Amino acid sequence: GAGVSQSPRYKVAKRGQDVALRCDPISGHVSLFWYQQALGQGPEFLTYFQNEAQLDKSGLPSDRFFAERPEGSVSTLKIQRTQQEDSAVYLCASSFQGQTNQPQHFGDGTRLSIL
Amino acid sequence: EDQVTQSPEALRLQEGESSSLNCSYTVSGLRGLFWYRQDPGKGPEFLFTLYSAGEEKEKERLKATLTKKESFLHITAPKPEDSATYLCAVLLGGGGSNYKLTFGKGTLLTVNP
Repeated sequence: GAGVSQSPRYKVAKRGQDVALRCDPISGHVSLFWYQQALGQGPEFLTYFQNEAQLDKSGLPSDRFFAERPEGSVSTLKIQRTQQEDSAVYLCASSFQGQTNQPQHFGDGTRLSIL
Repeated sequence: EDQVTQSPEALRLQEGESSSLNCSYTVSGLRGLFWYRQDPGKGPEFLFTLYSAGEEKEKERLKATLTKKESFLHITAPKPEDSATYLCAVLLGGGGSNYKLTFGKGTLLTVNP
């Protein structure tokens, strides 16, 4: 498929465990974004990459959240020592070039549940 | 503080009953306003981008319009398959964060047959 691919689609973890969420953006898209969406809310910005450079991580809720995109394509969002408040849908989006007004295209997200 | 407000929160229509969804924003330096459709368990699907006041975009039964303070998503003769949550997002201009979408909470549209 040509869209943004995220895995796993669902993740259940116990409080205190570490989790890793993967995003495979649209081929050729320079910019990659992570958003967090709570139930009944719109997505909220977490972090932004242009190629392999993380240009903005201001939305990451705490230092337990870490994102990387080492080769400028696939990205991983890692959450250490998960807490119940981390339960949400994590959405990845990509665009051809981030610092323009081109639309961001979203994957279907990873639904994370922390028990 | 920049803010995006969507109304109503939920809307029920009969098939064929036209209506409008509202997105009002209090931001400075708008670079673009985006409409997305989100189905349950799916990510937001891009519909339209509007760049300046007075602009209109159309796609099938949907038409989006933009003024200096708000955007409307008009739905003409809706069908049950138009049922979804419609999200509005703004992109700010200027330096710093001119890539970060700020979303409203969405309008849950249900179209009954």
